[in-house]
Amino acid sequence: EAQVTQNPRYLITVTGKKLTVTCSQNMNHEYMSWYRQDPGLGLRQIYYSMNVEVTDKGDVPEGYKVSRKEKRNFPLILESPSPNQTSLYFCASTTLQEGIGYTFGSGTRLTVV
Amino acid sequence: TQLLEQSPQFLSIQEGENLTVYCNSSSVFSSLQWYRQEPGEGPVLLVTVVTGGEVKKLKRLTFQFGDARKDSSLHITAAQPGDTGLYLCAGDDYKLSFGAGTTVTVRA
Repeated sequence: EAQVTQNPRYLITVTGKKLTVTCSQNMNHEYMSWYRQDPGLGLRQIYYSMNVEVTDKGDVPEGYKVSRKEKRNFPLILESPSPNQTSLYFCASTTLQEGIGYTFGSGTRLTVV
Repeated sequence: TQLLEQSPQFLSIQEGENLTVYCNSSSVFSSLQWYRQEPGEGPVLLVTVVTGGEVKKLKRLTFQFGDARKDSSLHITAAQPGDTGLYLCAGDDYKLSFGAGTTVTVRA
């Protein structure tokens, strides 16, 4: 089944403790991205990657890092999480062909206390 | 600044009624996409429209893309409780920019 897999689904952590949210896709998609969704603010892009070793900032990149060492994986790293990073996070992927939509993961609900 | 404005923000209707959700953009995107999202789950793609004036049908859902490629609408005929959810439009320009969404509730 074609899918984007995120782990974990739920995570509660403490301020300053480094964490990684993993994202993997099995569709050989070139493009992958991370979004956060907050009430009243909607979905906002954090980082995106056009291909292996090519990443760029989205609209809200502060406090996050990403890497794209393999085509299928695009982890999101929070080096020193803070409470304002409490949010629902989604990974998404697509091909670079025009008119093809995105496949989203099921989400990671992160709480930083 | 929200590039895509959706209206209405909330919509509650009785089963069997029709509904329309609107999406207006301040920019032209290479494509415009509609998603449906359940609480706590990821958005699921419904349709992608690329050509100005395009109309696409997906069972009881009809999607239109404006001639200028800056506005779109989603029309649901004879809505069912299973249509309940958050409907999102998104413009794609090597980055998805989302509207705030329309929460649709269909009462049985």
